Amino acid sequence: DAMVIQNPRYQVTQFGKPVTLSCSQTLNHNVMYWYQQKSSQAPKLLFHYYDKDFNNEADTPDNFQSRRPNTSFCFLDIRSPGLGDAAMYLCATSRGEGRWGDEQFFGPGTRLTVL
Amino acid sequence: AQSVTQPDIHITVSEGASLELRCNYSYGATPYLFWYVQSPGQGLQLLLKYFSGDTLVQGIKGFEAEFKRSQSSFNLRKPSVHWSDAAEYFCAVAPNSGGYQKVTFGIGTKLQVIP
Repeated sequence: DAMVIQNPRYQVTQFGKPVTLSCSQTLNHNVMYWYQQKSSQAPKLLFHYYDKDFNNEADTPDNFQSRRPNTSFCFLDIRSPGLGDAAMYLCATSRGEGRWGDEQFFGPGTRLTVL
Repeated sequence: AQSVTQPDIHITVSEGASLELRCNYSYGATPYLFWYVQSPGQGLQLLLKYFSGDTLVQGIKGFEAEFKRSQSSFNLRKPSVHWSDAAEYFCAVAPNSGGYQKVTFGIGTKLQVIP
């Protein structure tokens, strides 16, 4: 089945220790997104890629970076995690046919704990 | 900028009872509207979406939603709730315009189903 896969599902890191979260997709979609979701809050868009074109949200901290080496994979790098970065991180994809009305397909998420 | 309000943070219904989850949006024109469901520990799954045309939209799992322009609402309904419907439900809006505009999610409504 075509899907969005996130690894690992659970990640524990130490305060200040860099961490990388992984997302892969078999849908061959043009757009890949990273969201941060804290408990009882709406998913918050961090950034997205349309193909190789990176688009950062204005309020995304510099501590968060992303890489998309090819169509299938996208990575979220947190350079120096703080306690406030503990959250669920959701990866999503969409076809990207020229407008945001595209349905987004979500992965199961990675729950990040910062000690 | 668009916004979404889900006034009910938590709702409890009995199995077999009807359900209505409220969603109000703010946008200058008719937007794209979505309802997503998130089961515990899972990513978001699209239930249904409204782009244009018939204001009553049918979705998966027996859900439907009605777009009411005069009330700026897009409420989600189900005539008979099943225990497996217990989850968190997110309403979302995206501008109905060309180019890329981000999807804005509401804060979510957590549904509890009791026997």
